[in-house]
Amino acid sequence: NAGVTQTPKFRVLKTGQSMTLLCAQDMNHEYMYWYRQDPGMGLRLIHYSVGEGTTAKGEVPDGYNVSRLKKQNFLLGLESAAPSQTSVYFCASSKTYTGAEQFFGPGTRLTVL
Amino acid sequence: AQSVTQPDIHITVSEGASLELRCNYSYGATPYLFWYVQSPGQGLQLLLKYFSGDTLVQGIKGFEAEFKRSQSSFNLRKPSVHWSDAAEYFCAASNRDDKIIFGKGTRLHILP
Repeated sequence: NAGVTQTPKFRVLKTGQSMTLLCAQDMNHEYMYWYRQDPGMGLRLIHYSVGEGTTAKGEVPDGYNVSRLKKQNFLLGLESAAPSQTSVYFCASSKTYTGAEQFFGPGTRLTVL
Repeated sequence: AQSVTQPDIHITVSEGASLELRCNYSYGATPYLFWYVQSPGQGLQLLLKYFSGDTLVQGIKGFEAEFKRSQSSFNLRKPSVHWSDAAEYFCAASNRDDKIIFGKGTRLHILP
């Protein structure tokens, strides 16, 4: 099993460009999450999904959109990238919402110039 | 508001020395508690978790954590650290009907 995979691993964007980060999990987990990690800020939840076709806002959702068209995939979109979105993005999945281990992908390092 | 606090941003210990990383939480009731480790360039990996019962929890890689209700703490310990333990450690908590909250992390440095 690959676990949680993320594509791409690195990306450099110019301000105003758009991109989509792809997360895939092969554990049949219902719940999936997108976090961003910034120095000294820990992990902050951007959006999450409690099942196929559902999405919900997390702590820092502004400037991002998500979609969960298939249970195994969770996409994070930036419609118009800004330098403040320079960060490392992590996807995670879990079997249940609370109390369950979250499995993390290796991360995507995004730089917005 | 619910919160998880890791008071130490950086900790440096010598290889072979003991380790304790601190974590305090602020929740109305005892939450589920977790410790994750993040090696450089990697995602987070679960070390251990506490739900209820025995307050001393054993995890992977020789780590353990002790839940102390009176101190609202869940400190992570290891008797003897190895150079490969150098990483960032995150404490996290969630109550029974809400999302997980992560602390800001403690970066562990190991001196040879």
